[in-house]
Amino acid sequence: DIQMTQSPSSLSASVGDRVTITCRASQSISSYLNWYQQKPGKAPELLIYTASTLQSGVPSRFSGRGSGTDFTLTISSLQPEDSATYYCQQSQKIPITFGQGTRLEIK
Amino acid sequence: EVYLLESGGGLVQPGGSLRLSCEDSSVTFSVNTMSWVRQAPGKGLEWVSGITDGGGGTYYADSVKGRFTISRDNSKSTLYLQLNSLRAEDTAVYYCAKGASKNGYKSWGQGTLVTVSS
Repeated sequence: DIQMTQSPSSLSASVGDRVTITCRASQSISSYLNWYQQKPGKAPELLIYTASTLQSGVPSRFSGRGSGTDFTLTISSLQPEDSATYYCQQSQKIPITFGQGTRLEIK
Repeated sequence: EVYLLESGGGLVQPGGSLRLSCEDSSVTFSVNTMSWVRQAPGKGLEWVSGITDGGGGTYYADSVKGRFTISRDNSKSTLYLQLNSLRAEDTAVYYCAKGASKNGYKSWGQGTLVTVSS
């Protein structure tokens, strides 16, 4: 199975900050990397697919980069509503696997 | 707007069975791959199973293979997950998700809680 490792596991940042979350795959997954946002008690929501494509309706402050084994999710100017847990997911190979999540707190 | 509604969760004893359903109110159910993803209390997301649009291809996580069965009825726009031989570690919120995994799961249901306990 492809292991997905996110860092950091948690972080705290202020409104307006630029925040970057990293996701590393245990083997190359090309660009088959998706990012999700999940708020407490809610279902996940797709933010970015195929590493860098912004899902329709997602604010442009979210962006994704990377290919192969190393990927990043960046929030360019943090907003209060961005407080959530973020997950990466590889879709290169079955079984589909997720990172362990990054909890983002607003200071 | 795409709307997925799960049902069928509940409390079941170890070794018991449940059948989860996910009804899609959109007109695009039959042309989409569907999946089940679960989340144990306080834990991360775990992919459980997927099925192709026509139902001819089914895929499972090793942790559920041989115990869970995914199926779909395109005439009813409904996805199913039959859970057998349930274990305490199967306790989780089960979400249905729509779309080919390669392009991300674009729609999710609200989740249904399965609790396995004596």
